[in-house]
Amino acid sequence: GAGVSQSPSNKVTEKGKDVELRCDPISGHTALYWYRQSLGQGLEFLIYFQGNSAPDKSGLPSDRFSAERTGGSVSTLTIQRTQQEDSAVYLCASSSQRGAETQYFGPGTRLLVL
Amino acid sequence: QQQVKQSPQSLIVQKGGISIINCAYENTAFDYFPWYQQFPGKGPALLIAIRPDVSEKKEGRFTISFNKSAKQFSLHIMDSQPGDSATYFCAARRGGADGLTFGKGTHLIIQP
Repeated sequence: GAGVSQSPSNKVTEKGKDVELRCDPISGHTALYWYRQSLGQGLEFLIYFQGNSAPDKSGLPSDRFSAERTGGSVSTLTIQRTQQEDSAVYLCASSSQRGAETQYFGPGTRLLVL
Repeated sequence: QQQVKQSPQSLIVQKGGISIINCAYENTAFDYFPWYQQFPGKGPALLIAIRPDVSEKKEGRFTISFNKSAKQFSLHIMDSQPGDSATYFCAARRGGADGLTFGKGTHLIIQP
C-alpha cells in the first residue's frame, strides 16, 4: 500500500512569505505527527494530531507556525512570514493509532527561505 | 536542553566489522527507545526498538543494548555491509506522550 506522501518535495520562498506544506498519511492511520529536521540536527517534534484534534502542540516554535487536519486525513502545516531560520526539512509521520509504536515517515518537504 | 545525546556524530567501519552507536538520555519518564535509519532523500524508517524492561533486543544483525541504571542505550550492527551506510537516529518517548525526542544522528559509512 501507499506510504506517507508529502508535497511539495521542495519549496523555495522569500523571507516574509507564507508557505503551506501538505501531508497525506497512510490510509486509516488516525495519528499524525509533524517534525522538523534542520541541517546537522536531529528531528524536532512540532505537533501531533489524533483525528482532527491536536492534543499536543508543544513543539511549535512560534505563533507563525500552525497546522490543521481535516477529515481525519490530510494535514497542512502553515508557516507565516517565513524567516531564514525556518529553512529545514519538514517531515510528516503517521501511526495506526495513538500510542502505536511505529511512526511511518514521509520523504519530507525541503524548505529554503531566501 | 538536549534530552537525548547521541555519539559519535560520524562513523566509518570496514565491511564485516561491528558498528556501535551510543545514546544517553536524561528523562527517566522515557519508556520507549526506537532507532531509526535514514537514507539520503528519504524519511527515517523504524529499524528496531526496545522498552526498559529488557536489557537487550536482537533482530537479525541489529542489536539494542539497554542500561537503565546508566540511562544509556546503544545500537550494534554486526557484519556491517555497505548497504548499511546511512544516518541513524536514536529516539525516546515519554509514557503518555506522542512525539518522539530524537538524538542528532550518526552518519555511518561502511567501507567495502
